[in-house]
Parts: sequence; C-alpha cells; structure tokens
Amino acid sequence: GAVVSQHPSWVICKSGTSVKIECRSLDFQATTMFWYRQFPKQSLMLMATSNEGSKATYEQGVEKDKFLINHASLTLSTLTVTSAHPEDSSFYICSASLSEGEQFFGPGTRLTVL
Amino acid sequence: RKEVEQDPGPFNVPEGATVAFNCTYSNSASQSFFWYRQDCRKEPKLLMSVYSSGNEDGRFTAQLNRASQYISLLIRDSKLSDSATYLCVAKRSGYALNFGKGTSLLVTP
Repeated sequence: GAVVSQHPSWVICKSGTSVKIECRSLDFQATTMFWYRQFPKQSLMLMATSNEGSKATYEQGVEKDKFLINHASLTLSTLTVTSAHPEDSSFYICSASLSEGEQFFGPGTRLTVL
Repeated sequence: RKEVEQDPGPFNVPEGATVAFNCTYSNSASQSFFWYRQDCRKEPKLLMSVYSSGNEDGRFTAQLNRASQYISLLIRDSKLSDSATYLCVAKRSGYALNFGKGTSLLVTP
C-alpha cells in the first residue's frame, strides 16, 4: 500500500505553545487528507477534511482557529495546534486518499502538553 | 448515539480459539464497510473490506447484513499475534471513514 508519513512522531510541549504536525504522502498524490484525534480507549474521531488548495472542512465541535490546517500541496498537509493545553494531549493521526479510494494512515503523532 | 457501535470487550481467548466480533451502524446511507486492526499506540491498519456476500481472508471472515445494519468479523484459530483492537468502520460516499470505538482482543498462550 501507499506510504504516509507524519512528523514528529511524538512531542512534549509546555502549555500555551503551538505545535505543528506534518503529514506527507510519500509515493502518491493525495486529493484529500484527513486529520483524526484519538484519546485513550476512545475511537478515532475525525477532526477535519482537507483538500489541496482549499479551506479545510471541520467537524462539529472542532475549533478551526485552534487547529489550523494547511494543505499546500498534493503531498503535504499540516495541522497546527495553537496555544496547546493539557486537554489537547492526544494521539493525532492523518490519513490520505486518492478520490474515493482507500485511506492510508500515517503512523500518528503523540502530543503531550504539560 | 454513535454511528458505529461495538462491544469494547476485552475478549480474552486462548490460542486456537474462534472469536467473533459484532458491530452495528446507524446511518443507512453508509455504503462501504471495513475492519481495521490497531495495535497499541499505532495507527490503524486495514484488515479487510466487508461485503454483503461475505468474504474470507485466511483465518478471517467478514460479513455484512445491510437489512439489520450489522457487521461481523470471525477469527478462527486465534494466534498470539492477533491480540489488538479491532475497529469497525462504515463509510458514506464522499465522507471520511467513521470508526467504532474498537473491540479489544487478547489471545493468551
């Protein structure tokens, strides 16, 4: 299957700082990228859907000013958690897909906010 | 109510056992269905798609009942390496994957 990378794989930061997470499709051009969040023992919850060159579509309850998504190219999407707080600590996973095809997941980024 | 519901388990079974997981989905517009496997602190990985006609992949058999909006996964001859969380997924055309909370499986020696 196709390869999706995420960077960093884990990050620890102080409360109030901003954290940027990158998601890259390494061997294909993704028309759509998705950002999920998973709290311990919970399901993956979709945060937003991102299409290259257009504004991301956020799910209900996800603050677009707090979770900034930029999808500048067909192989790169970034999620910036602005002014992170301890309750933002979670496992953030991106996925990329071609049209209606299979979604390929990145390895995830574990964020811990102190 | 969540769109995709699963029994969280955990299911503790001995090696060699057969185990079945069930899942229901509430949105009748869902068109595609999958089982994913997620290991601790890892991303989910596609295990298999699910079709109304039923499909089998080695020791794994998946089944979809559209009338009752019910999906199942059967694992035969369980291996220690099958220990993981199994995520039931429903998808509507044009939408992202909709994950259940997952069912935890622990296969013991």
